[in-house]
Amino acid sequence: EDKVVQSPLSLVVHEGDTVTLNCSYEVTNFRSLLWYKQEKKAPTFLFMLTSSGIEKKSGRLSSILDKKELFSILNITATQTGDSAVYLCAVGTPSNTGKLIFGQGTTLQVKP
Amino acid sequence: GAGVSQTPSNKVTEKGKYVELRCDPISGHTALYWYRQSLGQGPEFLIYFQGTGAADDSGLPNDRFFAVRPEGSVSTLKIQRTERGDSAVYLCASSSPGDTQYFGPGTRLTVL
Repeated sequence: EDKVVQSPLSLVVHEGDTVTLNCSYEVTNFRSLLWYKQEKKAPTFLFMLTSSGIEKKSGRLSSILDKKELFSILNITATQTGDSAVYLCAVGTPSNTGKLIFGQGTTLQVKP
Repeated sequence: GAGVSQTPSNKVTEKGKYVELRCDPISGHTALYWYRQSLGQGPEFLIYFQGTGAADDSGLPNDRFFAVRPEGSVSTLKIQRTERGDSAVYLCASSSPGDTQYFGPGTRLTVL
């Protein structure tokens, strides 16, 4: 059975800290790995990763994929209270189905 | 441009009733997806449309759930004889084929 597992499930840090969120996966047909940020209801897209070892970066956020060990990490440096959210990892399956398989999410709380 | 929109934002119904949830995708996106998110969990795939046809409905939990997309744009998710276990946030996403999925704000369904 395809599955995506995120850790930790929740995390509390203070502003300025650096955090690393983990995502491991076991899927039959891998196409891509995506990270989303969910603050209220709509997950908003952060990164899509398809190749191992190539870091994607956007401001204070960065992510990398290891297709040999079947995991990805999302790093957030110099955290701010606005980073508080649920971070979702999802694996994309081949385009003929298109569905995403999500992990359960990591709830990040950044305290002032 | 306009993102994915979903109506209603909240729906409260009684056990046994019929409900319809609507999704307006991003203009020009041919792929449309429905997911269901229970409290504390990641979204779970329900159904995927490519154009007007359901390309993958393997995530629909049972035959009380049905979705249509008659003109290849707006989609309606229909739930018959609702049960308390159907309570969740129903998320819709759209994309160009093989591209990133962009999510709507969801409909929170509460079955009393």
